[in-house]
Amino acid sequence: GDSVTQMEGPVTLSEEAFLTINCTYTATGYPSLFWYVQYPGEGLQLLLKATKADDKGSNKGFEATYRKETTSFHLEKGSVQVSDSAVYFCALNNAGNMLTFGGGTRLMVKP
Amino acid sequence: DTGVSQNPRHKITKRGQNVTFRCDPISEHNRLYWYRQTLGQGPEFLTYFQNEAQLEKSRLLSDRFSAERPKGSFSTLEIQRTEQGDSAMYLCASSLQTGWETQYFGPGTRLLVL
Repeated sequence: GDSVTQMEGPVTLSEEAFLTINCTYTATGYPSLFWYVQYPGEGLQLLLKATKADDKGSNKGFEATYRKETTSFHLEKGSVQVSDSAVYFCALNNAGNMLTFGGGTRLMVKP
Repeated sequence: DTGVSQNPRHKITKRGQNVTFRCDPISEHNRLYWYRQTLGQGPEFLTYFQNEAQLEKSRLLSDRFSAERPKGSFSTLEIQRTEQGDSAMYLCASSLQTGWETQYFGPGTRLLVL
């Protein structure tokens, strides 16, 4: 079946550091890929998405490129802020139905 | 545009009791999904509806779980004879007509079974 693997956290960075959170997936066909973010005490929010190979999703300074050859969708941001501290989930949608999530990566940004 | 709402936000119950959660999707959304998230894990799919029809159920959804969406608007998720292993965050999401549309999540209902 489909699966998503994320790097384990927590990831601890200083403010203005470069962020990479790795995400790889296993799926048949051509899934859509997503990054969701969960801030403390809040629900999941869509951060960005990509629906086909080589698409780049971007939002709020975050970017991720759909790489079919490496089955990856790594999340990057050039300069993180304290307010980016949250749990980040990579997910795929392969059949036009449910989302399959990775285990989540907690990001902690220190001033 | 109001988002997805869920009630209650928190529920504490004793083992063996029945509980019911409610989800109100974004008004124009035809699809409604239920997920379960345990501590430190990603959400896992439980079931989804297209309007009032329940189209798919996960193997995670044991016979003690039942979900309804009687008029194609709000949905309820009932757990009968709760067990401690049912303790989790129950998330609801909704999307437009097709499954390829973005799913928007509610804040969740956190269940603790003592």
